[in-house]
Order: sequence, then C-alpha cells, then structure tokens
Amino acid sequence: AQSVSQHNHHVILSEAASLELGCNYSYGGTVNLFWYVQYPGQHLQLLLKYFSGDPLVKGIKGFEAEFIKSKFSFNLRKPSVQWSDTAEYFCAVILSGGYNKLIFGAGTRLAVHP
Amino acid sequence: DTGVSQDPRHKITKRGQNVTFRCDPISEHNRLYWYRQTLGQGPEFLTYFQNEAQLEKSRLLSDRFSAERPKGSFSTLEIQRTEQGDSAMYLCASSPGQGGSPLHFGNGTRLTVT
Repeated sequence: AQSVSQHNHHVILSEAASLELGCNYSYGGTVNLFWYVQYPGQHLQLLLKYFSGDPLVKGIKGFEAEFIKSKFSFNLRKPSVQWSDTAEYFCAVILSGGYNKLIFGAGTRLAVHP
Repeated sequence: DTGVSQDPRHKITKRGQNVTFRCDPISEHNRLYWYRQTLGQGPEFLTYFQNEAQLEKSRLLSDRFSAERPKGSFSTLEIQRTEQGDSAMYLCASSPGQGGSPLHFGNGTRLTVT
C-alpha cells in the first residue's frame, strides 16, 4: 500500500537553528507532494506544494522543500527557525489518478525554544 | 474565502449513542473529504464526495459510519452506536475540481466517547 513516512516524531530546536524534516513516500507513479502545518489550536494549513518543474519549492514563512525523485523524498527545510514555528508538520502526497485524496505521514511535532 | 466550517467543535457522548457532525465547505469547491485523526497520527482518509456523489470510502469507514452530501454543498458524517475507539478528531476538507489542488481543512470536530 502507498504510504508516507516522516522520520522524526519530535524535534526540539533553539531559535535560529536550522531545520530539516524528512519525508519519504512509497509509490512508483506520479505524485503531487505537500507539506501542511498545524499550529496549536488551529486547522491544517498548506505550507508548500510540488506538482512539477523545479524540484526546489518555496513556501510561506521561509520554508522550502526539495523533491528528490530517485530517493522518493520531499524534505522540508528552514535555515533559521523562530519560536512561532512551533507546530506539527505533516507531509502528504496525492497519487496520480486518484480523487485528489491526500495520504498523510504521521507528523513531526516541532518545539522551538527561545 | 470564508474557509471550511465544522460543527460542533467538540462532542462528548456516551458509548452506544449516535452522533452527527456537519461540514460546510468553501462554497465554490465541489470536492469534499472527511478524515479522522488520532493522537500521534496523521489524518486518515475516510470518504470523498464530488458534488453529491460519494465516490470513495475507506475500509476505516465501518457500517456504523455514514456520510451524506445531499445537495452537493454541506455534508454530514453520522456515527451510530459509538464506541470508545471512535474517539478522535474528525476533519473535513474541500477543494476545487482541478486535479492536484490543495485541500482546505476545517478546524475539526473532536469526539470523545465515554
């Protein structure tokens, strides 16, 4: 079955540290890739997406992600995190030919300490 | 964009009771999804509507679960004879008809079955 794996369940960083959250998916066909963020008490929000073209995509709030097809990976990065980035981050894929159905990873809970 | 609206935000019920949740999608979105999220997990797909047609149901959706979208606008998710294992956050999302479009999520309904 198709799946999405996020390597880290919990990450703790200090402000200004660099962030990289891993995401791998298992599906041999065409995928659309997403990162969603859920701030405490809020709904899931789109951070960035990859459909095609430049494999390095930039999202909101200084986040970026790189699609590496050969590694089935879509890792999320930010050079310098802020306390306000404390949230849960979900990687998700939409498989080609599906009903735009998102398949989510288990999420990574990020805590940024001032 | 008024966002996806879900009601109620919280529901506490006793085991064996029936519950119904409502979702109002973004008005021009013809695709509507229900997901379930438990602690420490990413959202899991339950079912999908395109307009009023329910096109896909997950195996997670047992016979006790039923969803409707009678006029292709709002949707309801009913759980009959609730069990403690049904306790979760139930998320609704909508998207426009274009393939690969991101899903917009509501704040969810948190169900607690005692």
